Amino acid sequence: AQTVTQSQPEMSVQEAETVTLSCTYDTSESDYYLFWYKQPPSRQMILVIRQEAYKQQNATENRFSVNFQKAAKSFSLKISDSQLGDAAMYFCAFMGAGSYQLTFGKGTKLSVIP
Amino acid sequence: NAGVTQTPKFRILKIGQSMTLQCAQDMNHNYMYWYRQDPGMGLKLIYYSVGAGITDKGEVPNGYNVSRSTTEYFPLRLELAAPSQTSVYFCASSKGPGQTGNTIYFGEGSWLTVV
Repeated sequence: AQTVTQSQPEMSVQEAETVTLSCTYDTSESDYYLFWYKQPPSRQMILVIRQEAYKQQNATENRFSVNFQKAAKSFSLKISDSQLGDAAMYFCAFMGAGSYQLTFGKGTKLSVIP
Repeated sequence: NAGVTQTPKFRILKIGQSMTLQCAQDMNHNYMYWYRQDPGMGLKLIYYSVGAGITDKGEVPNGYNVSRSTTEYFPLRLELAAPSQTSVYFCASSKGPGQTGNTIYFGEGSWLTVV
């Protein structure tokens, strides 16, 4: 079974600064997907970024980028130029390439300080 | 570009009442899911479907039923509502295992309170 660990229950960042959220996972699979989802107070689950394990290049979506270290089983999310609207709960999630199911971490609550 | 649409967004039920949460997706995804998220917790899978006419239980199926008559729709039925079913419910869809770019997309959530 896979496990996803987010070791930072809460983080804070000054507006316009950069913050990195940590995620590690454990799996015996070699082909899988990793995701970061954002959940603002509205509770909507919004896909932020997606990484395919067989791709060595780190995924980037505008101000969001990941540092994917496959050997270390690490998948951190970097948010640059943080904005007030980035304040949310962030969930790291794993899905085997042959699976239908997501395994979520417990989440990191990000606060953005004006 | 609707994606996954679920209704209602908010509902208050009395103990013992029944209701159906509606879910539709327009991405022609084979897989559809229902999750629940209790306060301060992660998501738990209730039921999922791999295609029209095929459904299966997830981690927490008790007290719920689903049906999948078409690719697009996947309603969740709550029978005899109990306070323990107070939660936020998410419908989601994906292409399915082995498909290029497989990603699970979520609806906006339905807040359900049972009193």
